Formats: sequence, structure tokens, C-alpha cells
Amino acid sequence: GQQVMQIPQYQHVQEGEDFTTYCNSSTTLSNIQWYKQRPGGHPVFLIQLVKSGEVKKQKRLTFQFGEAKKNSSLHITATQTTDVGTYFCADSGGSNYKLTFGKGTLLTVNP
Amino acid sequence: DSGVTQTPKHLITATGQRVTLRCSPRSGDLSVYWYQQSLDQGLQFLIQYYNGEERAKGNILERFSAQQFPDLHSELNLSSLELGDSALYFCASSVGWSSGNTIYFGEGSWLTVV
Repeated sequence: GQQVMQIPQYQHVQEGEDFTTYCNSSTTLSNIQWYKQRPGGHPVFLIQLVKSGEVKKQKRLTFQFGEAKKNSSLHITATQTTDVGTYFCADSGGSNYKLTFGKGTLLTVNP
Repeated sequence: DSGVTQTPKHLITATGQRVTLRCSPRSGDLSVYWYQQSLDQGLQFLIQYYNGEERAKGNILERFSAQQFPDLHSELNLSSLELGDSALYFCASSVGWSSGNTIYFGEGSWLTVV
């Protein structure tokens, strides 16, 4: 089945530094979704990317979908302590809405 | 608060037992999903229901079953429990069944099998 690889597994940054997590697949992704899960919390939908090469921004967060729809990235500019959590990418699964999640990147921010 | 309600929040049970996890979707949402989150497997899709009908199936064990009732709430039944079933079980809901709809996750039910 579809496998989504996500790197890095962990990232520790100083507040104010940038952060990027990458999502890769050996096969073409349907649509890519990004979620954030705070420690002890539940996944919260951030965004969905649909088109090849798509770039979307949400304040300090920039999401990109690769031209071949085999990779995606989430970049956070000038991290804040409120950005702490695990960021997951997920392939939306085509005609059936079966999210295939990457293993996530745990971001910790030192104030 | 996502609007998705799950009970119980925590559950400890013994191997071989059976438990039922309950989920109430957001008001107006017709689609319900169940996911399992564990340290080794990560977040895994189990099953999806839409308006009472099974829509999609993932890595759900035969010992597990689910249903969605006419009032749209859903239950996940886990039987013959094993230690490896210990995990966080999320219910999620969305208005429709396709990827154009935002999925909202509940806070999860922590299951510990001892």
C-alpha cells in the first residue's frame, strides 16, 4: 500500500529559528494534508494541497507540494513556543478518504 | 474543542477482554472514521462509515468491528484484547466522505491492555 515517509523524526530549535519537515513517497500522492498534534492532544487539520507545485501560506507556515506530487514540505519561519508539537503529513487516499499518515516530526522549541 | 466526542477517555482492561469505544461526530457530519495511534505503528486508518454504511476499510483486525448507528454515533468494538492493542484510538468526523472535506479528530480514547 501507499507509504509516506517523513523526516526528520525530531527537530529541536531555538525560538526564532526556522523549521522544515519533509514528506516523501515513492508513488504519486493523491492529495497531501498536514496536521498538527500538540503533546497530549489530537491531530488538528492544517491544510490540504491538491495541485502539483502548489504553495500555500498560513501566516508563518508555508506548505509546498512537489511538481511530481511525490513530496511535500512544511516550513515554519521564526518558530515560537506555541509551535511545539508533532507535525504529520498524510496522503488522502484518492477516491476513498483513507488517510495514510507519515510518522510525524516532533518539534520542540527552546524559549 | 473539535466537536467530536469520544468516551471513555481512558480504559484499562485485561488481555482477552472486550471493550467498546463510543464516538459522537460533530453536529451535521455524516462520515465517521476510526484511527489507531501507537508508538510503533503511528497513526493508522482503521475504518470509515458514511451515513450508516461502511465506506472504506484499512488495517483493522478481524477481532475489531465497528458500526455507525442511525443517529450517526459510532462504536468501535475490540475483542480478545492483546497487549499490543494498547493504543490511543481516535474517532474523527467530516461532513462528506471525500478528501475535499476537513476531518475533525476527537480527543481519543486511551486503551491500556494489561
